[in-house]
This record gives sequence, structure tokens and C-alpha cells, in this order.
Amino acid sequence: EVQLAESGGGLVKSGGSLRLSCAASEFTFSSYSMNWVRQAPGKGLEWVSSISGSGSFIYYAESVKGRFTISRDNAENSLYLQMNSLRVEDTAVYYCAFGDLVNDAFNIWGQGTKVTVSS
Amino acid sequence: QSALTQPASVSGSPGQAITISCTGTSSDVGGYNYVSWYQQHPGKVPKLMLYDVTNRPSGVSIRFSGSKSGNTASLTISGLQAEDEAAYYCSSYTNTSTLYVFGTGTQVTVL
Repeated sequence: EVQLAESGGGLVKSGGSLRLSCAASEFTFSSYSMNWVRQAPGKGLEWVSSISGSGSFIYYAESVKGRFTISRDNAENSLYLQMNSLRVEDTAVYYCAFGDLVNDAFNIWGQGTKVTVSS
Repeated sequence: QSALTQPASVSGSPGQAITISCTGTSSDVGGYNYVSWYQQHPGKVPKLMLYDVTNRPSGVSIRFSGSKSGNTASLTISGLQAEDEAAYYCSSYTNTSTLYVFGTGTQVTVL
């Protein structure tokens, strides 16, 4: 069964850093673009970042550009999100997700990892 | 890149049909047929319901259908059922410096 498992969330102070990981299994990881999507408490979904299968193409939401870095290790079937200069408004559940039907629709999601940024 | 605009809430009685709108711009919804819809029950992971405006992934009920006109996409749920009560989000590819944008979300209530 195709699976994604996020880890690395936790409590951090404003200005701090965290590195999220997403372990992928049971599919050819390098063939798919991967994405991070977040959801603040009681709020809607927000796309955060995407990376192509080879890692050559990377995109960020304006809200995280310059602070977050997405990367992947295809040998380890892992996706990462390095989050620096964290702000209270970055508090959210962070999901990794991808589409195995089409790139632009995410039909496979992890369970999410919670990030809390305190002031 | 602003979020796509959805109504905050839509309600209907069992058996009725409801429609949720998703309004963007020519840079996203209006410019491409890359609109998706997600269902999210409280405390659960989002579930893809429609992709590329009208396509249903395997296992999604035929009661869910999609359309698009200009800068507005729509999700219609026919034969509304209690299990359809959830939050729904649209999403679109965008040709701006970002890549994707989600809608503001719509809470569907089954009366």
C-alpha cells in the first residue's frame, strides 16, 4: 500500500527552526513531484511547497519563500522541509502529499505532523 | 497569490443537490483545467474528490460532479447524504511564481 509518513513536528519558539521529514513507501518515489500542504488550527488548507521528481524544479508559497527549503533524497525515498525563522503564524499541521493520477491533484496524503510556534 | 474564493457554508436536505463555487482569476481557475476538489471530515486527512475539473478518482461516488465557466469552478453534490457533511476545498494550478492555490473552504451541512 502506498504510504507517506511525516515526522519532525513539535514545539519551537518564534525565530527557531525545524526540519520535517516524510518517508515514502510502496511506490517509485523518484517518479513523482511531492508537495507540502499545511493547515492552521481551525483554518483551511494552504499549499506550501512542491518539488519535482528529480528535485530540479522547486516552488514555494509567498508566505514561506526565503524561510523554508524543500528537498528530497530519492535514494532514501524521503521528502524534507527545512523551516527557518519560524513565526507564530506557521503553526499548523503539515502534510506531505502527491498525485499519482496527475501532478496537480493530491490523492495520496500522509497523516500530518503538528508544528507549534510559540511567542 | 490570494486564496480562491468559496462560500463559507452551504446546506441542503438529504436527497437534494447543492453546488459549491470556487472563484479565481485567469491566472489560475480561468486559465487552466487543473482544478481539484477535496473533502475533509473533522480530524481527518483531505480526500481528493475531483481532479482536472470533471474527473473522479476511482471509488468516488458519481454523485460528485464538477464544471467550470470562466474564472469559476463548481462542485455539485447530488442526492445529498449525511456522510457528505464535511469541509470542501478547491485547488488550482496557477501560473504565478507559486504553483498551486487552495480555496478558502466551504462547510457543507446536511439539514
